[in-house]
Amino acid sequence: GAVVSQHPSWVICKSGTSVKIECRSLDFQATTMFWYRQFPKQSLMLMATSNEGSKATYEQGVEKDKFLINHASLTLSTLTVTSAHPEDSSFYICSAPAGGRTYEQYFGPGTRLTVT
Amino acid sequence: GEDVEQSLFLSVREGDSSVINCTYTDSSSTYLYWYKQEPGAGLQLLTYIFSNMDMKQDQRLTVLLNKKDKHLSLRIADTQTGDSAIYFCAESNKTRAGNMLTFGGGTRLMVKP
Repeated sequence: GAVVSQHPSWVICKSGTSVKIECRSLDFQATTMFWYRQFPKQSLMLMATSNEGSKATYEQGVEKDKFLINHASLTLSTLTVTSAHPEDSSFYICSAPAGGRTYEQYFGPGTRLTVT
Repeated sequence: GEDVEQSLFLSVREGDSSVINCTYTDSSSTYLYWYKQEPGAGLQLLTYIFSNMDMKQDQRLTVLLNKKDKHLSLRIADTQTGDSAIYFCAESNKTRAGNMLTFGGGTRLMVKP
């Protein structure tokens, strides 16, 4: 199947700093990628849809100025958590539909963010 | 909006069959999926079924779809301790941009030796 990578796999940062998380499709192009966050023992919550060449679409309740998304190329989307706070600590996962088989959605391994 | 429901927990003995159930509300769902998540890891696509199918079998995995009742199940035959994980049911509609998924809350499967 298609491979999606994320970097870093885990990061610890201080309150008030910004953190960038990368999501890459390694063997296919993705005009659309999705960003989710997952709290412990909970399901995935869709944060936003990242669109190559245009603005991201944010879900209701997600602050677009806090969670900056840039879909720089057909294989890379980045999520920047700005002015991070401890409540932003979570597991962030990206996904992408695999090329022409848009019904096959592949997920990255996730990035665990801890804000101290 | 769309809603997907799963039971929270299932415990089985090694070698038994596991059946994880899922219900959804969107009658226009086009695809239904089962994902597996192990601790601290991302989601692994296990299998999926198109809404015009009733059943799909892939080795130890059998997916049953009752479209009338909007009920999806995943049966794992000869369950092993390595199958212990959280299993997420998800649905999508091809009219949604990029085939966006809606997830259930996940079922934690515990396999006892």
